[in-house]
Amino acid sequence: GENVEQHPSTLSVQEGDSAVIKCTYSDSASNYFPWYKQELGKRPQLIIDIRSNVGEKKDQRIAVTLNKTAKHFSLHITETQPEDSAVYFCAAISPLWQGGKLIFGQGTELSVKP
Amino acid sequence: GAGVSQSPSNKVTEKGKDVELRCDPISGHTALYWYRQSLGQGLEFLIYFQGNSAPDKSGLPSDRFSAERTGGSVSTLTIQRTQQEDSAVYLCASSLDRAGGVKTQYFGPGTRLLVL
Repeated sequence: GENVEQHPSTLSVQEGDSAVIKCTYSDSASNYFPWYKQELGKRPQLIIDIRSNVGEKKDQRIAVTLNKTAKHFSLHITETQPEDSAVYFCAAISPLWQGGKLIFGQGTELSVKP
Repeated sequence: GAGVSQSPSNKVTEKGKDVELRCDPISGHTALYWYRQSLGQGLEFLIYFQGNSAPDKSGLPSDRFSAERTGGSVSTLTIQRTQQEDSAVYLCASSLDRAGGVKTQYFGPGTRLLVL
């Protein structure tokens, strides 16, 4: 079945620097890859997603890239700010025969130091 | 509109007692998930309901855990004979499946369970 690996588990950057979080997935049939941000004590919230028919998607300071051949996708945050500090989760959809549910990565704790 | 709601927001119980956690998904959402999140940890999948299909219970950690979804809407997660290791935040999420497999999940605020 689908398996999602996420790296790194923790990431510390200086304010203004870029941050990159990487995920790999196992099932080539997966076609939807969302990213969630969870601030301390709050619920996870969708920040950006990408479908398998595109290679990159941007929304202001965040972008996601997808390499279907290599089965990996990445989250890029530019010009990081302290409010970007949170735990970020990537996810992929399991195949339909497994119910088509979202499978989450283990999470990356991002710390942006002012 | 109203988002996903969960109750109670906090629950303290004694070891060995049963607890019920409730989730009200967004109206019209066909899919409903339960996750467990221990302090500082990731999202541990528990169970997944999709429309009228049989639920995917592959994530339930033991037979003390069960869940129901009545009328395709409200869901209840029941933990019997609670243990201290059951202490965690229990998150519910719902989604409306869209064309192309897009499944944006909307999370509830969670129920923080503490087993003494």
